[in-house]
Amino acid sequence: EVQLVQSGAEVKKPGESLKISCQASGYKFTDYWIGWVRQMPGKGLEWVGVIYPDDSDIRYGPSFQGQVNISVDKSIDTAYLQWSSLKASDTAMYYCARPTSGWWFDLWGRGTLVTVSS
Amino acid sequence: YELTQAPSVSVSLGQTATINCSGDNLGKKFAFWYQQRPGQAPVLVIYQNAKRPSGIPDRFSGSNSGQTATLIIRGTQAMDEADYYCQTWDGNAGVFGGGTKVTVL
Repeated sequence: EVQLVQSGAEVKKPGESLKISCQASGYKFTDYWIGWVRQMPGKGLEWVGVIYPDDSDIRYGPSFQGQVNISVDKSIDTAYLQWSSLKASDTAMYYCARPTSGWWFDLWGRGTLVTVSS
Repeated sequence: YELTQAPSVSVSLGQTATINCSGDNLGKKFAFWYQQRPGQAPVLVIYQNAKRPSGIPDRFSGSNSGQTATLIIRGTQAMDEADYYCQTWDGNAGVFGGGTKVTVL
């Protein structure tokens, strides 16, 4: 089955670091881009960024450049979204999703809820 | 690049819902549409302006011209009550519209 399985919910304090994961299965990981979408509580979808696993080419959304780091581990078909110092405003649901070559997302994970609170 | 959607649309059961998404020369790009029901991940309903993925009912249709992309839901059912987001690619990154909440009366 083609799917994206995301890591579980996280509760962190401001200033802490975090790395959430998304493991792909059912397709060749290095043939597709993979990316992240943010949804803050009660708000809309925001395009965080995407990475091409074969060469680690990354495209960040303008609001997220320098705020997060996207990476992959090809050996385990897994993509990551990482923060070095979390803020309360990072509290959101983060979806892993697979874009096609035409840049629409045809496959989504169930989401990872990140809560940042002192 | 920005995409603008009306925050909400109401439609009577069985009638037609029209959801617009506007952006500068959006008609020269491809538009995509996602449905998100409460507590669920988004689902692609339209890609490349007017194409439906496998499994999406044919009551969903799309168009894109000029400054506006449009998602139409004909014969709206109660299960279509959800948030709908447009998206495009601006050459460097993807962009989502703010979303439209469709309420079925």
